[in-house]
Amino acid sequence: QQQVKQSPQSLIVQKGGISIINCAYENTAFDYFPWYQQFPGKGPALLIAIRPDVSEKKEGRFTISFNKSAKQFSLHIMDSQPGDSATYFCAASKEGGSEKLVFGKGTKLTVNP
Amino acid sequence: EPEVTQTPSHQVTQMGQEVILRCVPISNHLYFYWYRQILGQKVEFLVSFYNNEISEKSEIFDDQFSVERPDGSNFTLKIRSTKLEDSAMYFCASSVGIVDEKLFFGSGTQLSVL
Repeated sequence: QQQVKQSPQSLIVQKGGISIINCAYENTAFDYFPWYQQFPGKGPALLIAIRPDVSEKKEGRFTISFNKSAKQFSLHIMDSQPGDSATYFCAASKEGGSEKLVFGKGTKLTVNP
Repeated sequence: EPEVTQTPSHQVTQMGQEVILRCVPISNHLYFYWYRQILGQKVEFLVSFYNNEISEKSEIFDDQFSVERPDGSNFTLKIRSTKLEDSAMYFCASSVGIVDEKLFFGSGTQLSVL
């Protein structure tokens, strides 16, 4: 019940395309859902986060869609660029907090020029 | 942007030896964390630390692990007697607060236990 399931494991997209990464969770106590971006040799960096009181949050080319009833959330990267090539992790935690994040297994995104 | 600094970037040790991983969190941050990532697997929470004590820890964080903030700037993770399965990338992180707060991660220490 503590798991966050992420798919796909890897994704190849052409430049300008839309990248979509999906996550699902079981624990209804989770109420904070961040997405982290990790480049090789670096630590994860917060990209965007959402709370369950909204169904969508957009920041630039990055959008989180949240479906509370289905217990699913997804990251959409519009107009994907080669510089977006990285590993993306979804995560979840309780009490709106950054503490004790439960991460998905990650999606390696490759954007071809 | 301010950074969390971790040293060393790579650490090789023999099984059964003690290791100390060091971190300098961002200066005005109050919450400190250790996470680890075994090669090819997900990032896993180990421990959080606030006001000079552990606030949360995971099942991974057993008696072999300890954390300390020895001097008001450094934050350390000690593994008392390393095992082969402790080989992983260890990330330190810090945040100003807890709720809706951005977690800043360091670049990690790759620990290899031989």
